[in-house]
Amino acid sequence: QQQVKQSPQSLIVQKGGISIINCAYENTAFDYFPWYQQFPGKGPALLIAIRPDVSEKKEGRFTISFNKSAKQFSLHIMDSQPGDSATYFCAAIGGGSARQLTFGSGTQLTVLP
Amino acid sequence: ETGVTQTPRHLVMGMTNKKSLKCEQHLGHNAMYWYKQSAKKPLELMFVYNFKEQTENNSVPSRFSPECPNSSHLFLHLHTLQPEDSALYLCASSQGSSGGHFYEQYFGPGTRLTVT
Repeated sequence: QQQVKQSPQSLIVQKGGISIINCAYENTAFDYFPWYQQFPGKGPALLIAIRPDVSEKKEGRFTISFNKSAKQFSLHIMDSQPGDSATYFCAAIGGGSARQLTFGSGTQLTVLP
Repeated sequence: ETGVTQTPRHLVMGMTNKKSLKCEQHLGHNAMYWYKQSAKKPLELMFVYNFKEQTENNSVPSRFSPECPNSSHLFLHLHTLQPEDSALYLCASSQGSSGGHFYEQYFGPGTRLTVT
């Protein structure tokens, strides 16, 4: 059972456009939501993260929007650049002592020059 | 990416072979992880070690056998694998892995495994 559902599977955006990736979760025990960026031949790297008591977090061109009541969160990449082309994973981590990551299935983003 | 290194980067093995994947972290972390990454599927956590002790085994088949001799090194011993085990195997490390706190995980580049 996939606990974090991610869409779309792939996304093509023109340079300068906005890339939007969505995730939804069921487990209300999740209390931390990181996003990872993975380039070909590399492991995932933490990009930005949010806690559910905050509705939005912005770091440079990257913004996470969080809707606790809908159990949804999304990543917005403003002014998308070809260098942003990568696979993006949303993730969630549960409460309690078992702090293990549950990942979404990934979105392959291509930003056209 | 020198924080977490993995060797080999690519491995092709037959179903009757025995091989091992190696991971080394240079970050002074206490927790290490093995993940399996298959195409179009979420990363699957396989094993977690905290201070060299295995704290999690996510129902991984016994043909995968982890070993953590110290906090800096992690191995994944492979034997009698199946073609469906072909995937990218990622190692990660973090400062800790429990206690109600989120510890950022740092991933290695992975080993691309092909089972023929």
